[in-house]
Formats: sequence, structure tokens, C-alpha cells
Amino acid sequence: GAGVSQSPSNKVTEKGKDVELRCDPISGHTALYWYRQSLGQGLEFLIYFQGNSAPDKSGLPSDRFSAERTGGSVSTLTIQRTQQEDSAVYLCASSFPFPHLDYGYTFGSGTRLTVV
Amino acid sequence: AQSVSQHNHHVILSEAASLELGCNYSYGGTVNLFWYVQYPGQHLQLLLKYFSGDPLVKGIKGFEAEFIKSKFSFNLRKPSVQWSDTAEYFCAVNPTNTGNQFYFGTGTSLTVIP
Repeated sequence: GAGVSQSPSNKVTEKGKDVELRCDPISGHTALYWYRQSLGQGLEFLIYFQGNSAPDKSGLPSDRFSAERTGGSVSTLTIQRTQQEDSAVYLCASSFPFPHLDYGYTFGSGTRLTVV
Repeated sequence: AQSVSQHNHHVILSEAASLELGCNYSYGGTVNLFWYVQYPGQHLQLLLKYFSGDPLVKGIKGFEAEFIKSKFSFNLRKPSVQWSDTAEYFCAVNPTNTGNQFYFGTGTSLTVIP
């Protein structure tokens, strides 16, 4: 596609429910990243995929968070048993293997998650 | 701990005023540096980047940034801001020994008053 597509754009869920966030990267971008943007916290790295493998999962805040990528394309970020502190905008970005030689990342518009 | 610091959290300027947003990082090795902008209701976009060569880099919409290695800084500047520059600005650092890992500052919110 022309850009990084994320769905849903907004999600309101009850505390304790599971949610699944989807990211569809730019065609041909082998690298995919998930970030979380909380108010006043800036961007927090969650996980990075190169192809279907995740060489860096260091940013996942707890074992309630998991992510997968299939076919080297679409990725889903799953949050189990959501808590109110999970409320944030979840951003997905994609890039070619060496983003500094290109345009860095291309970001999606994000999914605004609100846990009530 | 390694970090990226943006000292100005909120900046309010009148149109035509000059802008400088600070960005300092604490990584000791070679880094690639970026500024991203997020306009209200939009996604993050790349403003400019530095990875080698001339430490003064020019980006879109009249923005520029200067890499000062001795100060571990990469400040963003614009000589004359416009109302349309109202946005959130993020500095990002990519230490080259981490591969594709980027670290972002907490962002600076810029409001330009017409």
C-alpha cells in the first residue's frame, strides 16, 4: 500500500479484556516496529521485526503483551487482560533494512487504545 | 542510562519568530540522528536526518538541524516559524551498534500564534 495502515484507529475496551491491534506495513519494507505513545512519555519502543522474526522484544512491558508477524507483512500486537495503564496510542512503523540510508521509518496513524 | 533528552516540553511562539528546539543524547558511539514531526491528527513524518558528512542538515519546510558531536546535541532550528508549524516534534537517535533500534525523546509541543 501507499502507507503504513493501522486498524482499528480507535479502540475502547473494558479492563481485563484482550485486544488485538493490526499493522499493515508498506509493501517491500522488511522491518516493522511497534511503539507506544503515552501522554508526556514520548515514544516507547515495544518490539522490532525483521521479516517474521523478532530480534528485539526488549520493549514489551509485560508478558501480557505479544506480537507476531506473518508472511513478512502484516503484524498484530496483542494485549491480554488489559489494564488502564495500557491506554495509549500504539504506533506501527516500517522501513527497509537500513532505515538510516532511506527515510528512517514510515509511521502509521496509530491505534488509540482506551481501557475503561 | 542511555537516553534522548528534549529539554523544551512546550514552546509557544508568535509567527515569524525564530525557533530552536534542543535535543541531547547520551550514547557514546556513532549515531544517526533524526527529527520527526507530528501535526495535529496526523502521523509522524520525517523532517530531517543526519548520518554523516556536513553536520548542518536541511530538511523540509525550512527546518535545519546541527549535529555538534562534542556536545552530543542535534538541535532543530527554523529562522521564521509559521502557524502551520504547530505540531509535536520528536528527536530520535539510532546508535549504529544497535542496528535498527531508534530511541526517541519525549517530544516538544510547539504552538505558533498567528
